[in-house]
Amino acid sequence: AQTVTQSQPEMSVQEAETVTLSCTYDTSENNYYLFWYKQPPSRQMILVIRQEAYKQQNATENRFSVNFQKAAKSFSLKISDSQLGDTAMYFCAFILYNQGGKLIFGQGTELSVKP
Amino acid sequence: DTGVSQNPRHKITKRGQNVTFRCDPISEHNRLYWYRQTLGQGPEFLTYFQNEAQLEKSRLLSDRFSAERPKGSFSTLEIQRTEQGDSAMYLCASSVWDRPTIGKLFFGSGTQLSVL
Repeated sequence: AQTVTQSQPEMSVQEAETVTLSCTYDTSENNYYLFWYKQPPSRQMILVIRQEAYKQQNATENRFSVNFQKAAKSFSLKISDSQLGDTAMYFCAFILYNQGGKLIFGQGTELSVKP
Repeated sequence: DTGVSQNPRHKITKRGQNVTFRCDPISEHNRLYWYRQTLGQGPEFLTYFQNEAQLEKSRLLSDRFSAERPKGSFSTLEIQRTEQGDSAMYLCASSVWDRPTIGKLFFGSGTQLSVL
């Protein structure tokens, strides 16, 4: 069975600084995708960044980047120049290529950006 | 593009009552998903549809739960004989199914169910 683990329930960062959120996952499959989703206090979940496991290059979306270590099954999210609007729950998620729509989410990390 | 719409936003019911939630996906999306989220946890997969066909149901989904997507557009999730353990946020999401978009789900704001 596939699992996703986020070991940091809460984190905080000062505005304009950099923060890294950790995620590990477990699978015996090779063809999968990893994601970070953000859930602000308004509740609507939003996709932040997506990584295809067969791509060695780490994905980047503006201030958000990942460090994907396939052998270690690690997938961390780095947020640079943190903004107040980054305050949210962040969920790491995983999907197998052949698993239809079944995203598996971690427990989440609550990030607070402080002014 | 009006996004994924869920109604109602909040539902309070008494134990034993039936409840039904509605989800309107993004119009061009062929896949629709239901997830359940309890406080402090990540969403858990319940079921998903491709057009009107229900392709997978989680083992978490007891016989009291049923979902439909009759014309491949909106979907309903019904819970019969609600129990206090059903209290949760029910999230709907939709997507286009294609390799470049695998896992790119667009979520609604959810329906918060409280069973008294």
